[in-house]
Amino acid sequence: DVKVTQSSRYLVKRTGEKVFLECVQDMDHENMFWYRQDPGLGLRLIYFSYDVKMKEKGDIPEGYSVSREKKERFSLILESASTNQTSMYLCASSSGALNYGYTFGSGTRLTVV
Amino acid sequence: LAKTTQPISMDSYEGQEVNITCSHNNIATNDYITWYQQFPSQGPRFIIQGYKTKVTNEVASLFIPADRKSSTLSLPRVSLSDTAVYYCLVAQRDNDMRFGAGTRLTVKP
Repeated sequence: DVKVTQSSRYLVKRTGEKVFLECVQDMDHENMFWYRQDPGLGLRLIYFSYDVKMKEKGDIPEGYSVSREKKERFSLILESASTNQTSMYLCASSSGALNYGYTFGSGTRLTVV
Repeated sequence: LAKTTQPISMDSYEGQEVNITCSHNNIATNDYITWYQQFPSQGPRFIIQGYKTKVTNEVASLFIPADRKSSTLSLPRVSLSDTAVYYCLVAQRDNDMRFGAGTRLTVKP
């Protein structure tokens, strides 16, 4: 069964900490994505990557950075966590072929206190 | 990027057919219409995609009129386990897909 695995299901961090959210996919997919999901706002795209070492800003990149050193791994970095970054973070991957859709991970619920 | 509009919520009963309509008035020629389903505490799951007319799979049917300015996701004979949020997306590349707030479907016994 193909998978997108996010390293943590729940995470609690303090304001100002540097936070790493890790995502690994085993499908040899070209594209990987990071979203955050908040009540009433749906999913909002933070960053995506279409190749190793490549990244593109999504709709809400402020306060975040990403790293993709290997094809299977895409990391989201909160340089200095703030309380307004408390959210559900979802990673997804895709082959690049639109008709196969995204495969999502189960999400990381991050709380910044 | 084509914007989509769908109802915020819908209620249904077990065994009924549910139709969720999505409006996408500024859809482009090369855009495809894709629907996702999301259960609580999980990431969204791809359920169906189409370009025009009708598409059917083991989970749902997708109806798209000739002008493609709207689409309807049809779930036959829903069960309690179909309670979820359903998202309609319009894009021509997977990097262009944007999720709105979706439609929260509640199936009652």
